[in-house]
Amino acid sequence: QVQLVESGGGVVQPGRSLRLSCAASGFTFSSYAMYWVRQAPGKGLEWVAVVSNDGSNKYHAASVRGRFTISRDNSKNTLYLQMNSLRADDTALYYCARGGSSGYYDFWGQGTLVTVSS
Amino acid sequence: DIQMTQSPSSLSASVGDRVTITCRASQIISSYLNWYQQKPGKAPQLLIYGASNLHSGVPARFSGSESGTDFTLTISSLQPEDFATYYCHQSYSTPYTFGQGTKLEIK
Repeated sequence: QVQLVESGGGVVQPGRSLRLSCAASGFTFSSYAMYWVRQAPGKGLEWVAVVSNDGSNKYHAASVRGRFTISRDNSKNTLYLQMNSLRADDTALYYCARGGSSGYYDFWGQGTLVTVSS
Repeated sequence: DIQMTQSPSSLSASVGDRVTITCRASQIISSYLNWYQQKPGKAPQLLIYGASNLHSGVPARFSGSESGTDFTLTISSLQPEDFATYYCHQSYSTPYTFGQGTKLEIK
């Protein structure tokens, strides 16, 4: 069965960096676009970034562009989110999700919590 | 950016009720509209994709429809496990935006 397991979250000071990982199993990872979506405490969902199945195309939300970078390693079935220059408003639960043919997210991980605080 | 306006923001209903949640896009998004259900402390789950296609394993009491830039999620007969927050989501163009959510509560 499809499984997505995020890791790498934690408490970090403003301005510091963190790298999130999402380990995928149960499907052919290299065939799917992958996404990061975040949810601030008590708030709604916000798309963060997408990477194409082969890693050649990447798009980031304006709120993270220039600070966050999505990437993937298809040999390791793993999705990444490198987060630099973290700010308090980046505090959120970060989910990875598998992309369907028309851009829907058909499977989600359980999320990893990032807290940016001094 | 495409704005997704979801209504109502909250809704109280009883088991067995028919419930409708709407989402309006700020521009044409064709049928690139998806619906998710999120229960407290859990990841969202896909219900409907492409405006009206039921995701695998989702009960048939859930349905979706579209009319221009207006989209509707209908639950035909509420069950206890349906009380949750629902989000619409456009996957037509980046940035892929969500509605603000509808919290469905027990009356």
